[in-house]
Amino acid sequence: DAGVIQSPRHEVTEMGQEVTLRCKPISGHNSLFWYRQTMMRGLELLIYFNNNVPIDDSGMPEDRFSAKMPNASFSTLKIQPSEPRDSAVYFCASSLGQGRNTIYFGEGSWLTVV
Amino acid sequence: AQSVTQPDIHITVSEGASLELRCNYSYGATPYLFWYVQSPGQGLQLLLKYFSGDTLVQGIKGFEAEFKRSQSSFNLRKPSVHWSDAAEYFCAVVPYTSGTYKYIFGTGTRLKVLA
Repeated sequence: DAGVIQSPRHEVTEMGQEVTLRCKPISGHNSLFWYRQTMMRGLELLIYFNNNVPIDDSGMPEDRFSAKMPNASFSTLKIQPSEPRDSAVYFCASSLGQGRNTIYFGEGSWLTVV
Repeated sequence: AQSVTQPDIHITVSEGASLELRCNYSYGATPYLFWYVQSPGQGLQLLLKYFSGDTLVQGIKGFEAEFKRSQSSFNLRKPSVHWSDAAEYFCAVVPYTSGTYKYIFGTGTRLKVLA
């Protein structure tokens, strides 16, 4: 079975440009998470969805960040406009249900904003 | 507020030596507890988890962890480390009374293995 699929794996963009990160969760999973990982702040939960509905977006850093989940098999995380401090690895993860169920991570999207 | 502490940022051990990675949590009750491993350039992979019952849990790759309620700890152990275990290890908790079921991750412990 395919795991969580993220694209692009690597992106380098200029400050001010729009960045869109994409995620396909594991088929059948109904919870989806976006995390950001940096050396300074570690793993931060940005937002999570359950049954395509955003449940908690308190980790979204500011209005420049937005996330959507139009259907059960696709989600996007958008940064507009991007800034150098957004440089990080962005992970998408999914799980079946909530709570104590294992979450499965994608391999990450490595973003560099110059 | 709930929190997870991994006091060791870096640990170096020799191949074949035993390993213990520490994890302490702050929460009023027993949360769900997890250990994940992240190899360079990869996402996180579940090693093991604890919900209830036997306080010693076995995971993949020869790892085990022991839940100690009195110490609010969930330390990860391996009796003999292999070079391929070099990675970053994350402890996580999910307070099961939390309405949002958020995973709370520790800051990670980076393991280096000497040949």
